Amino acid sequence: SQTIHQWPATLVQPVGSPLSLECTVEGTSNPNLYWYRQAAGRGLQLLFYSVGIGQISSEVPQNLSASRPQDRQFILSSKKLLLSDSGFYLCAWRKRGSTDTQYFGPGTRLTVL
Amino acid sequence: AQSVTQPDIHITVSEGASLELRCNYSYGATPYLFWYVQSPGQGLQLLLKYFSGDTLVQGIKGFEAEFKRSQSSFNLRKPSVHWSDAAEYFCAVGAGGGSNYKLTFGKGTLLTVNP
Repeated sequence: SQTIHQWPATLVQPVGSPLSLECTVEGTSNPNLYWYRQAAGRGLQLLFYSVGIGQISSEVPQNLSASRPQDRQFILSSKKLLLSDSGFYLCAWRKRGSTDTQYFGPGTRLTVL
Repeated sequence: AQSVTQPDIHITVSEGASLELRCNYSYGATPYLFWYVQSPGQGLQLLLKYFSGDTLVQGIKGFEAEFKRSQSSFNLRKPSVHWSDAAEYFCAVGAGGGSNYKLTFGKGTLLTVNP
């Protein structure tokens, strides 16, 4: 069966510090991968998605970037965090080429102080 | 572009009462529709999905949803709510072809269950 991991689970960072959040998927190959941010009362905002290694599409211009160095690894980064980057970050995967279910990881709670 | 509206931000029901969470979507063709549930501090778990066929779909935890094309709705129902159902519920529509296929989520409905 497939599983999706995210770490860290929680993170408190000062403004201006760098960020690296990691997501890995097990039990599947060539998945589509997604990063979402969830802010209170605003639902889920799609940040980035990837259909393959090195292929990243950005949905919203912002202070963040994403990379996919390996088939089942997806990384969310920032060089300098802003207060507005605080939120709950969710990684998700879906079988490539399908319109089937998207599965979510447990999330990372990021607080920028 | 597709969109999803969940008109109710917060709903409170008593344990044992029936529940209906509303979802309206906007999309030009037949969409793929999903309901997810999120407990505090957790990821999203799929409750049920509609792709085609029978417009009444059954999901996990006793939930069901009905697709009504004429109303562009996909409302979630449960006949008797349990305290453990307290969570946030998200409706989503999947649309677009090939690599453009994406899920668009509503802003969620927070469900509180009173004992």
